[in-house]
Amino acid sequence: KAGVTQTPRYLIKTRGQQVTLSCSPISGHRSVSWYQQTPGQGLQFLFEYFSETQRNKGNFPGRFSGRQFSNSRSEMNVSTLELGDSALYLCASSLGSSGSSYEQYFGPGTRLTVT
Amino acid sequence: AQKVTQAQTEISVVEKEDVTLDCVYETRDTTYYLFWYKQPPSGELVFLIRRNSFDEQNEISGRYSWNFQKSTSSFNFTITASQVVDSAVYFCALSRYNTDKLIFGTGTRLQVFP
Repeated sequence: KAGVTQTPRYLIKTRGQQVTLSCSPISGHRSVSWYQQTPGQGLQFLFEYFSETQRNKGNFPGRFSGRQFSNSRSEMNVSTLELGDSALYLCASSLGSSGSSYEQYFGPGTRLTVT
Repeated sequence: AQKVTQAQTEISVVEKEDVTLDCVYETRDTTYYLFWYKQPPSGELVFLIRRNSFDEQNEISGRYSWNFQKSTSSFNFTITASQVVDSAVYFCALSRYNTDKLIFGTGTRLQVFP
């Protein structure tokens, strides 16, 4: 079974630009979550999607947005990039559904550098 | 509020030594889930274990074992006979009922020297 895939793996952008990151979950998984990892703040939760609905949102500014498609693939968008947005963005998928918290399997991440 | 504390920032051991990584959590929920993940230098987080709050039974998987104690709000991870391949950053995480949102600790960097 293929794992979680994320594209692109590396990205260099300039301040003020916007970026879209993509995540394809494990086949059969309906929940996708996004995390930001930086040396200073560690791993922080961004969003959680299940069946195209945002189920949870972390404490990030409105410049960070996401969505999930009917095939469970997900994208996240960051507009008006700032230097502090430089980070490793990790996507995770799980079976999702309700009534539990499932183990999440992570992708390799997208390394975003903002200059 | 929920919180996970991994007080050990970095641990260095020599191969074949046993090592325990500490994890202390805070939550007011009665139903919650605890996880351990491994992050090798490649960067990808690797799932190790998930435990729900009603299951305090210790678990062993090969050289790995986990000790869950609700009385002390701890979920510690022990590697027996450590190997160089165990070198990585290990994260403990907590989630609430009915969500996949993970609250991570700051991680413990384990270095195993030959």
